[in-house]
Amino acid sequence: EAQVTQNPRYLITVTGKKLTVTCSQNMNHEYMSWYRQDPGLGLRQIYYSMNVEVTDKGDVPEGYKVSRKEKRNFPLILESPSPNQTSLYFCASSFRGESKQYFGPGTRLTVT
Amino acid sequence: GENVEQHPSTLSVQEGDSAVIKCTYSDSASNYFPWYKQELGKGPQLIIDIRSNVGEKKDQRIAVTLNKTAKHFSLHITETQPEDSAVYFCAASTDSNYQLIWGAGTKLIIKP
Repeated sequence: EAQVTQNPRYLITVTGKKLTVTCSQNMNHEYMSWYRQDPGLGLRQIYYSMNVEVTDKGDVPEGYKVSRKEKRNFPLILESPSPNQTSLYFCASSFRGESKQYFGPGTRLTVT
Repeated sequence: GENVEQHPSTLSVQEGDSAVIKCTYSDSASNYFPWYKQELGKGPQLIIDIRSNVGEKKDQRIAVTLNKTAKHFSLHITETQPEDSAVYFCAASTDSNYQLIWGAGTKLIIKP
């Protein structure tokens, strides 16, 4: 089944404790992206990647890191999480040159 | 840069009635306009899209209309059913940069 998977689905952590949210897709998509979703603000892009070893900042990259060492994986790293990073995070992927994006199920992160 | 505004933020309609959600965009170069549906606990999923060379597109009970002159596009859902209850997002992008710019979302509530 074609899908985008994210892990974990739920995470509660404390300020300053490094964490990684994994994202993996099995559709051989070149393009991958991370979004955060907050009430009233819609989907805001954090980082995106056009292909392996190519990453770019989105609208809200501060406090986040990403890497794209393999085509299928695009982990999101929070080196020192803060409470304002409490949010619902989505990973998405698509073929390069196509705008239709496939979304993962989301990761709800709470930073206390 | 592109900005997409979406209205209303919440829409409540009686089951069986029609629902209309509107979006306006600022960049006249935008030429791709998708609509995504996000059900509770899931990631957004593409339900219909339209390109700027088409004025209207239908798929069963849903339709999207585009007015390039006024730079707005709308989602129309007829004969609404309980399963239509969800958050709907509009977005816009260009072929040169297929980054999606998202509206803030509309929570659609179908009253029985």
